[in-house]
Amino acid sequence: AQSVTQPDIHITVSEGASLELRCNYSYGATPYLFWYVQSPGQGLQLLLKYFSGDTLVQGIKGFEAEFKRSQSSFNLRKPSVHWSDAAEYFCAVGTPMEYGNKLVFGAGTILRVKS
Amino acid sequence: EAQVTQNPRYLITVTGKKLTVTCSQNMNHEYMSWYRQDPGLGLRQIYYSMNVEVTDKGDVPEGYKVSRKEKRNFPLILESPSPNQTSLYFCASISGAGPSSTDTQYFGPGTRLTVL
Repeated sequence: AQSVTQPDIHITVSEGASLELRCNYSYGATPYLFWYVQSPGQGLQLLLKYFSGDTLVQGIKGFEAEFKRSQSSFNLRKPSVHWSDAAEYFCAVGTPMEYGNKLVFGAGTILRVKS
Repeated sequence: EAQVTQNPRYLITVTGKKLTVTCSQNMNHEYMSWYRQDPGLGLRQIYYSMNVEVTDKGDVPEGYKVSRKEKRNFPLILESPSPNQTSLYFCASISGAGPSSTDTQYFGPGTRLTVL
């Protein structure tokens, strides 16, 4: 069964600084990979997703993520963080066999932005 | 507007009192799921459905029931709620047509349930 690890529970960055949130997955083949953001008291919003092809994926709000098969990672990056990016971020993995049925989520990383 | 709606958004109840959380989507999606979110655990799948009358257990199904009598609706039923079911619940749907830039999982706004 697939699994997802987000090693950082909390991350604090200064406004304007770059950001990288880590995500490692466990799955025997190429998974489908997702990053979601949840603002306080809100639902989940999809930032970006990877199915195949170019391993560098561009998303909304200036985010990007890179799939690295050799490291089983799908880290999320942003070159310059804004105060409005403060939220909780979830990495999730799906599989071709279970497409549509299931996503497995990491525990989440809470991002704090200091001015 | 494409959306997944859930009701109620907030609910406080007592142990053992049956409750239903409704979920409805307006996108004619085949697949629907329920997840619960707990601090430090992320989202965990409770049940999913691939179509009308087709449901199956997710990772944490104990204490929950679901039904899919119509394509648009996927209610979550707690027949005898207990305090360990206090959580934030999300319904989700996706067309299931296949991985593509347009086939996206839509999440509802969440239902915060407290069982006393």
